[in-house]
Amino acid sequence: AQSVTQLDSHVSVSEGTPVLLRCNYSSSYSPSLFWYVQHPNKGLQLLLKYTSAATLVKGINGFEAEFKKSETSFHLTKPSAHMSDAAEYFCVVSERSNYQLIWGAGTKLIIKP
Amino acid sequence: EPEVTQTPSHQVTQMGQEVILRCVPISNHLYFYWYRQILGQKVEFLVSFYNNEISEKSEIFDDQFSVERPDGSNFTLKIRSTKLEDSAMYFCASNGQGLNEQFFGPGTRLTVL
Repeated sequence: AQSVTQLDSHVSVSEGTPVLLRCNYSSSYSPSLFWYVQHPNKGLQLLLKYTSAATLVKGINGFEAEFKKSETSFHLTKPSAHMSDAAEYFCVVSERSNYQLIWGAGTKLIIKP
Repeated sequence: EPEVTQTPSHQVTQMGQEVILRCVPISNHLYFYWYRQILGQKVEFLVSFYNNEISEKSEIFDDQFSVERPDGSNFTLKIRSTKLEDSAMYFCASNGQGLNEQFFGPGTRLTVL
C-alpha cells in the first residue's frame, strides 16, 4: 500500500535562508511523486512532479526536489526563502497503475523576516 | 490556459439538507476526481470517475455521496443528507489520458450548520 510521511508539521526559516521540507514515501510499484502548495484560503497548485525521468526535478518559484529511491525520499528544497513562500506544502504519491493521489499530512512553512 | 472551475466557492447548508457541488473539468480530460480537506487536516481522496462510472472510491464515499457527469462538461458531487462532519473544502480534479498530473479546481468550502 502506498503512504506518504511528511516528517515536519511546521518548518520555520528566516527570509533568504535555505528551505528543506522532508518527505518519505512507500509504494509497491514505480511511483509518481508530486509537491503541491496551498496558500492561505487558496486552492492547490502543483509545484513539481517526478515521473521516472531525471531524479532532480525543478519546479516553479525556485523549488526543486530530488527523488532518492534508496532512501524512499522526495525532499523539497529552495536555496533562498522568500516571504511569499509562506504556505502549506503537500507531498503526494501516485502509482502508475491508477491515478489516485495519496497525500501527506502537509508541512506549514513559516518565513521569518 | 485551461483550468478546472468549481461552483459555488462557498456553500452553507443546514444539517440534513442535500447539496450539489459542481465542477467543470478541463475539456479534453477523461479522468475526474473529488477530494476533501477538513480544516486543519490532510487532503483525502473521495472518488475517481472514468468512462461514465466510478473507478475507485474511498471508505469516506458512503451511500450519502454520489457523483454524476450529467452532460459533456459538468461533474457533480451530491451529498444526500449533510452531516456536521461533512464541513470541509471539496476539491475537484481532472487529468487526461496518459497524464498522471491532476489539475485542481479552487475548491468549494462547504459549511454544515
